[in-house]
Amino acid sequence: QQPVQSPQAVILREGEDAVINCSSSKALYSVHWYRQKHGEAPVFLMILLKGGEQKGHEKISASFNEKKQQSSLYLTASQLSYSGTYFCGTPGGGTSYGKLTFGQGTILTVHP
Amino acid sequence: KAGVTQTPRYLIKTRGQQVTLSCSPISGHRSVSWYQQTPGQGLQFLFEYFSETQRNKGNFPGRFSGRQFSNSRSEMNVSTLELGDSALYLCASSLPGGDYGYTFGSGTRLTVV
Repeated sequence: QQPVQSPQAVILREGEDAVINCSSSKALYSVHWYRQKHGEAPVFLMILLKGGEQKGHEKISASFNEKKQQSSLYLTASQLSYSGTYFCGTPGGGTSYGKLTFGQGTILTVHP
Repeated sequence: KAGVTQTPRYLIKTRGQQVTLSCSPISGHRSVSWYQQTPGQGLQFLFEYFSETQRNKGNFPGRFSGRQFSNSRSEMNVSTLELGDSALYLCASSLPGGDYGYTFGSGTRLTVV
């Protein structure tokens, strides 16, 4: 089952904050977050693992509630470069951890 | 270090033809996955290869196939192309386990006419 992202679109001014949510109907072992700019490849932002460990290489924070099967991505003091489509991805269980199922995406637009 | 390289970047094919797309992963990455991206369906998993073995497969017809070579390079093939196969095909590589995230290539834009 595809995770559900909300909102579908967000429009911000530079410096404003945003939260993007990702909910799954099945148990989550980890959650991936990616950003894709128009005409470019998705770029890895962060992975949240069961137990609270986070691995990422950008200054973006996120939370992972295993019981609620939800994750949220927090974008603070947004910059123009944050514009793009954000996807969460949930891996399958067991040997299917390499099979990511992506949400439908959240379009973030940051204006000057 | 070099990223994930996909070739060709653009392809135009006719219905009924077949096509082969290539992906070279980041050096040291042995897991390679393929995704189809369309405006209507979003990002959909095609298959994953690890050490020359298909480890996972998505819900696509048998016309879609792939393979991985001993140097981790991967190819995917689509036979008997249909108009609905027009999409951006993305390849992603990762370290084993996937806990480090996936690095995507720039994709191959396939147009079927």
